[in-house]
Amino acid sequence: IQLTQSPSSLSASVGDRVTITCRASQGISSFLAWYQQKPGKAPKLLIFAASTLQSGVPSRFRGGGSGTEFTLTISSLQPEDFATYYCQQVNSYPFTFGPGTKVDIK
Amino acid sequence: EVQLVESGGGLVKPGGSLRLSCAASGFTFSDYTMIWVRQAPGKGLEWVSSLSGNTRYIYYADSVKGRFTISRDNAKNSLYLQMNSLRAEDTAVYYCARDDFGGNNDYWGQGTLVAVSS
Repeated sequence: IQLTQSPSSLSASVGDRVTITCRASQGISSFLAWYQQKPGKAPKLLIFAASTLQSGVPSRFRGGGSGTEFTLTISSLQPEDFATYYCQQVNSYPFTFGPGTKVDIK
Repeated sequence: EVQLVESGGGLVKPGGSLRLSCAASGFTFSDYTMIWVRQAPGKGLEWVSSLSGNTRYIYYADSVKGRFTISRDNAKNSLYLQMNSLRAEDTAVYYCARDDFGGNNDYWGQGTLVAVSS
């Protein structure tokens, strides 16, 4: 299963609403996770089952979608949110990742 | 506190071998599927391999199938990745991570760098 993400990068300001889209090459129901990665650090799980917030993750992060199209929305971008975001399908092995979306400061 | 600590990375020549280890603590290791994920310099994440807690279920990415072997020692709370016939394109930071029973990876190690170069 191939995943694409759009955009590949974006520039935004603190307080902006940001939406990242992940598309799967075939239906994966809600078997999708989102990760945040900062430079030199391991990825961090943000959302699983397409829309369930991982414990400790701020509520400004929201996941949505099912089937082949999914979104990650950050309602009000904070300085600590500048990072690269990856989707991952966990519907069937191999559990592929999307290519990533880099969010940087405008 | 859950901790995952990788070790064993380093510089190896093409065609060579390396064995990575991941020491786990803070949870009942044998209950969990564990995985390896890698990240080439400046690139995205690539899922590499997965091994269930009872070792019955093993999966590999096509890119490493036949060259890499995942294993674990539940008595030692350790996960391993034996990497043979290494290629330049295997150069990456290798992370071990825990599968939270749903395929999602809720805890990650800090990573260990493998560099394949002559």
